[in-house]
Amino acid sequence: AQKITQTQPGMFVQEKEAVTLDCTYDTSDPSYGLFWYKQPSSGEMIFLIYQGSYDQQNATEGRYSLNFQKARKSANLVISASQLGDSAMYFCAMREDRDNYGQNFVFGPGTRLSVLP
Amino acid sequence: DTGVSQDPRHKITKRGQNVTFRCDPISEHNRLYWYRQTLGQGPEFLTYFQNEAQLEKSRLLSDRFSAERPKGSFSTLEIQRTEQGDSAMYLCASSLRVGLGHNEQFFGPGTRLTVL
Repeated sequence: AQKITQTQPGMFVQEKEAVTLDCTYDTSDPSYGLFWYKQPSSGEMIFLIYQGSYDQQNATEGRYSLNFQKARKSANLVISASQLGDSAMYFCAMREDRDNYGQNFVFGPGTRLSVLP
Repeated sequence: DTGVSQDPRHKITKRGQNVTFRCDPISEHNRLYWYRQTLGQGPEFLTYFQNEAQLEKSRLLSDRFSAERPKGSFSTLEIQRTEQGDSAMYLCASSLRVGLGHNEQFFGPGTRLTVL
């Protein structure tokens, strides 16, 4: 079973509008973290936002916010006021915390966002 | 430049040859991660180190793959007897573990391997 599911292979949004990128996850570990990364065509992975499994409030970082619904196991990324430079691949990722510092990291298949002028 | 660096950036090799990649993390970071990314896919976790200890290895890391971080600083990833299926981008990332914080990973530019 996929641990991270991103159901939108591609998304289009008009410049200055908001867009939501979906992410659902599957884990039985009580302690985990959820991340969103942006990968432009140049290839570098850029960290955007993080949500811990015990965090009570949804994470926000500038124009990025994470809509964390723990019971539904979803961690959707909301980008407000889209800019042309937001066009990129977006990956949802999960860190599962194990005993003795063990960790497992899983990335989703990604969503390609295209911002239209 | 104080970011994560990887060397080489590109490697072309013939099937059956051995290759070795190097990653230099951000200097104060105690955790180092290796991932593999194929075209159109998300990165796949391979292994990670805390200081010099290799704490987790994915089942993707077959016995042809080995990673080391001998002094807790730079790391090497070696692939023996390369196969065409090993062609991918190999990404390195580092983070600083502080308590139970989010341990944001900073990624390097990657090494693109092409096996002919």
